Amino acid sequence: DSGVTQTPKHLITATGQRVTLRCSPRSGDLSVYWYQQSLDQGLQFLIQYYNGEERAKGNILERFSAQQFPDLHSELNLSSLELGDSALYFCASSAQGLTYNEQFFGPGTRLTVL
Amino acid sequence: QQQVKQSPQSLIVQKGGISIINCAYENTAFDYFPWYQQFPGKGPALLIAIRPDVSEKKEGRFTISFNKSAKQFSLHIMDSQPGDSATYFCAASGVDGGSQGNLIFGKGTKLSVKP
Repeated sequence: DSGVTQTPKHLITATGQRVTLRCSPRSGDLSVYWYQQSLDQGLQFLIQYYNGEERAKGNILERFSAQQFPDLHSELNLSSLELGDSALYFCASSAQGLTYNEQFFGPGTRLTVL
Repeated sequence: QQQVKQSPQSLIVQKGGISIINCAYENTAFDYFPWYQQFPGKGPALLIAIRPDVSEKKEGRFTISFNKSAKQFSLHIMDSQPGDSATYFCAASGVDGGSQGNLIFGKGTKLSVKP
């Protein structure tokens, strides 16, 4: 158990809908990362927050947004969902968000868009 | 320049054998190279990592070999066990050069160790 929690574990929804994925980092970790894992694209970095502020953006679509709250939990919002958004979404956390900090991954949320 | 290329896609090894997974990168600004292990239904977990100031790092049965001039690094699993059956991802990051310190992952290698 990495200490990172993600809810829900599974999510099934329809095209055009909006969903929110939630992540609680390990106790004391200030940095949260979101990744998308799909069979064709592999593990892709989406976005990073550090202590409530956006720090870096990766391959995140404009339909997707995220935020980190004062209690350090984070939410990833996915809107206008398309079939191709079906994937595993992982949250990871690290102590300070520095390059060499180990990232601890949560168990993921499996999103299925029908 | 941001890609990390990983091979093979899948690997079958007999128990007790050596598993070798290779990765190559192009961005010379990368300066941190971790390997992650992922079991089905779980998130990736850090296995071992190396920085380019050393050519090899060993932790138990796991060794990273790093060739800076060739821009390649590899994971060796000695005495492979059925419990090592998982998907392995190499990754790279660097503060400069665009990744902003965030991990760029290879596509993964599915390892099966036969008893």
